[in-house]
Amino acid sequence: SQTIHQWPATLVQPVGSPLSLECTVEGTSNPNLYWYRQAAGRGLQLLFYSVGIGQISSEVPQNLSASRPQDRQFILSSKKLLLSDSGFYLCAWSGGLAGGPVTYNEQFFGPGTRLTVL
Amino acid sequence: AQSVTQLDSQVPVFEEAPVELRCNYSSSVSVYLFWYVQYPNQGLQLLLKYLSGSTLVKGINGFEAEFNKSQTSFHLRKPSVHISDTAEYFCAVSESQGGSEKLVFGKGTKLTVNP
Repeated sequence: SQTIHQWPATLVQPVGSPLSLECTVEGTSNPNLYWYRQAAGRGLQLLFYSVGIGQISSEVPQNLSASRPQDRQFILSSKKLLLSDSGFYLCAWSGGLAGGPVTYNEQFFGPGTRLTVL
Repeated sequence: AQSVTQLDSQVPVFEEAPVELRCNYSSSVSVYLFWYVQYPNQGLQLLLKYLSGSTLVKGINGFEAEFNKSQTSFHLRKPSVHISDTAEYFCAVSESQGGSEKLVFGKGTKLTVNP
């Protein structure tokens, strides 16, 4: 079966510090990968998505960046955090299931990382 | 561009009462529609999806939704709710764009089931 991991689960960082959030997927290959941010009362905002290693599309200009060094690994980073970067960060994947038909319509979400910037 | 409107930000109901969470979308092309549920401090879990075929879609936990193309709606219903259904519910729409389908989410509806 397929699983998606995110770490850390919670993080408290001072303004101006760097950030690295990691997401890994197991049990599938060549997935599309997504980073979302959820701020209170604002729903989910798509930040980045990736269709393959080294291929990153940014949805909104911001203080964050993303990288995909391996097929099933997606990293969200920042050099200097802002207060406005606080939120709940969710990673998701879609794509071919191992041994089954390829479908990109449904996204599967990780457990999320709660980031508080002080 | 596509968009999703969830008409109610909060819906309080009593246990065993029926509930309907409303969702309307706008899109110039054919769409796929989804409902996700999020329990506190957790990720999103898929409740149900409409890709094609029957417009009445049944999902997990006794939920169902009906796709209405003429009204561009995809309302979520449950005939009798439980305390455990208390959560936030998100409606989402996607269009195919070169194999990299992106989901556009509504702002969510917080369902609170009271005893």
